[in-house]
Amino acid sequence: TQLLEQSPQFLSIQEGENLTVYCNSSSVFSSLQWYRQEPGEGPVLLVTVVTGGEVKKLKRLTFQFGDARKDSSLHITAAQPGDTGLYLCAVLFGNEKLTFGTGTRLTIIP
Amino acid sequence: NAGVTQTPKFQVLKTGQSMTLQCAQDMNHEYMSWYRQDPGMGLRLIHYSVGAGITDQGEVPNGYNVSRSTTEDFPLRLLSAAPSQTSVYFCASSYMTGSGNTIYFGEGSWLTVV
Repeated sequence: TQLLEQSPQFLSIQEGENLTVYCNSSSVFSSLQWYRQEPGEGPVLLVTVVTGGEVKKLKRLTFQFGDARKDSSLHITAAQPGDTGLYLCAVLFGNEKLTFGTGTRLTIIP
Repeated sequence: NAGVTQTPKFQVLKTGQSMTLQCAQDMNHEYMSWYRQDPGMGLRLIHYSVGAGITDQGEVPNGYNVSRSTTEDFPLRLLSAAPSQTSVYFCASSYMTGSGNTIYFGEGSWLTVV
C-alpha cells in the first residue's frame, strides 16, 4: 500500500494550458514537500507546506496543503515546456525519513 | 559548489559481483541517505545516517550495507548483486533542521545487474 498516492500518473498537455496534479493520503502529516525531477538528475525541492490550508506560490506554480493535512495539490498556470518533468510529493518522518509518492510525469507540448 | 557527488554515474555488474557506490557532500550536512528509484515505485529509502558513526535502515535495506566514517562520505555497498538491484540510486544530504529541511540529491547512479 502506497502511503502517498499521486494522480494522474501521466499528463501531457499543450503549452499555455493550466493543470493540477494531486497528492493524497489517508494519514495526517506535519509537513509535505514537492519536488521536480528532470531526466538524468536528482529531485529538486520546490516547496515545503506545513499548515493546513496553506497556499504557497512559486511564479506560475501554486501549492496547497489540505485543511486536514492529508493531501496537497500543485497547480501550474500557462504551462511551458520547461515545466516538463516528474513531480514528486514527499513527507518527512522525524528529521530523517523522506517518503515519496510515485510521481506525476508531466509533458508540455510546444 | 560541488554539493552531493555520486560515482560512478553508470555501472554494469554481473550477478554475484560486489561493488560500492560512492557519495560525498561538501556542505557539512549531518544527514545523508540513499534511495533507489524504480519505474512506478517512486524513490524508496535504503539506508540513512544522522551523523558520523551512525547508520540505520530504511524501507528496502536488504542486500545493501553502509558506513559513515566521516561527515562527508556515505558509501553504499552491494554485497552480492542481483538483477532485482537494477535501478537508479540517489544519494541525498541535509541539515537536521526539522520540517523545513532542504534535502539535496546527487545526480544519480545507473546500475544494471545482468
